[in-house]
Amino acid sequence: KAGVTQTPRYLIKTRGQQVTLSCSPISGHRSVSWYQQTPGQGLQFLFEYFSETQRNKGNFPGRFSGRQFSNSRSEMNVSTLELGDSALYLCASSPDPGTATQYFGPGTRLTVL
Amino acid sequence: QQQVKQSPQSLIVQKGGISIINCAYENTAFDYFPWYQQFPGKGPALLIAIRPDVSEKKEGRFTISFNKSAKQFSLHIMDSQPGDSATYFCAASMRTGGSYIPTFGRGTSLIVHP
Repeated sequence: KAGVTQTPRYLIKTRGQQVTLSCSPISGHRSVSWYQQTPGQGLQFLFEYFSETQRNKGNFPGRFSGRQFSNSRSEMNVSTLELGDSALYLCASSPDPGTATQYFGPGTRLTVL
Repeated sequence: QQQVKQSPQSLIVQKGGISIINCAYENTAFDYFPWYQQFPGKGPALLIAIRPDVSEKKEGRFTISFNKSAKQFSLHIMDSQPGDSATYFCAASMRTGGSYIPTFGRGTSLIVHP
């Protein structure tokens, strides 16, 4: 089975721009979660999607949003980028929200200049 | 509020030695405790996980020890190898509203010298 895939792997943007990241979960997995990883804050939960619905959201500003499609693929969007948004954005999938084990993708490295 | 405290921040071990990483949690409602291994440029990979109804779980050279009363759990890497050099994260999660949302420790950078 192919693992979680994320595209693009690297992105460079400038302040004020917006960005869209994509995640394809493991085949058969319908729950997708997004995390931000930075050296200063570690791994922080952004949001969780299941059946095209956002089930949970972490403590991030409204500039961070996401969605999930009927095929379980997910996208996250960050608008009005700030320097502090530079991070590794990780997507994780699980068969359903009630399954504790999550499998992570390789991440998208976002650099905001 | 940091709900999962991980130590040490960095660890240097000689090849063949034992690496020990500790985590402590606060919320007694946590009921799933995974450990992840992350290599540079990669996403975290699930290494081993434990539920609070067991005190120890072993998979190959990796062992989780769990102390429910102390609200602590640790990862032991036996016969550490240079290939084990990576960042290790502990996490604790509980089912909230039907979903498991993990809280992660800050990570431990492990270097195993040959």
